[in-house]
Amino acid sequence: DAGVIQSPRHEVTEMGQEVTLRCKPISGHNSLFWYRQTMMRGLELLIYFNNNVPIDDSGMPEDRFSAKMPNASFSTLKIQPSEPRDSAVYFCASSSRGANYGYTFGSGTRLTVV
Amino acid sequence: GQSLEQPSEVTAVEGAIVQINCTYQTSGFYGLSWYQQHDGGAPTFLSYNALDGLEETGRFSSFLSRSDSYGYLLLQELQMKDSASYFCAVTANSGNTPLVFGKGTRLSVIA
Repeated sequence: DAGVIQSPRHEVTEMGQEVTLRCKPISGHNSLFWYRQTMMRGLELLIYFNNNVPIDDSGMPEDRFSAKMPNASFSTLKIQPSEPRDSAVYFCASSSRGANYGYTFGSGTRLTVV
Repeated sequence: GQSLEQPSEVTAVEGAIVQINCTYQTSGFYGLSWYQQHDGGAPTFLSYNALDGLEETGRFSSFLSRSDSYGYLLLQELQMKDSASYFCAVTANSGNTPLVFGKGTRLSVIA
């Protein structure tokens, strides 16, 4: 199993540009989570999906952020327009049986907005 | 709401034992998890406790006291490769809510 696959690994963009982060969860996992990690705020949940349906997006900081999961094997997190304060590492994680069996995290996307 | 407290940094000697504590305030608490993250890497799952007591997995053990809203991660026979950040995380409402993470404890293992 290749694990959770995220792309790109690194993204540098200019303020105001659109950024799209991608995630392929582990096959058979029915829950997908997007987290953001910064030194100041730690790991914050942005949004999560169960069976491709968004369940809670209350962690999405602003309307500039949107996420989709069109099918069980793909999800995107989009920021439009991007701002320097969006600079962080964005992790996607998937799970099949909840927290007790653990979440599997992707390698993350390090986003830098200049 | 949910809040978790854990020390920001801990230093320990190679071969020793270290305990990383975590206290939480969580409505509808269901379980406590621990994750390890090396610099530049992704968090990886270590353990999960839903019931009071100690769970042992090799050199790592995790403890939970629901009445004290407290848990800890115990690392024995420390190795240099154990230098990493360790996060406690809680789930609530019968495990149906996603993990909420603490700020993490950075463990430095020294020779």
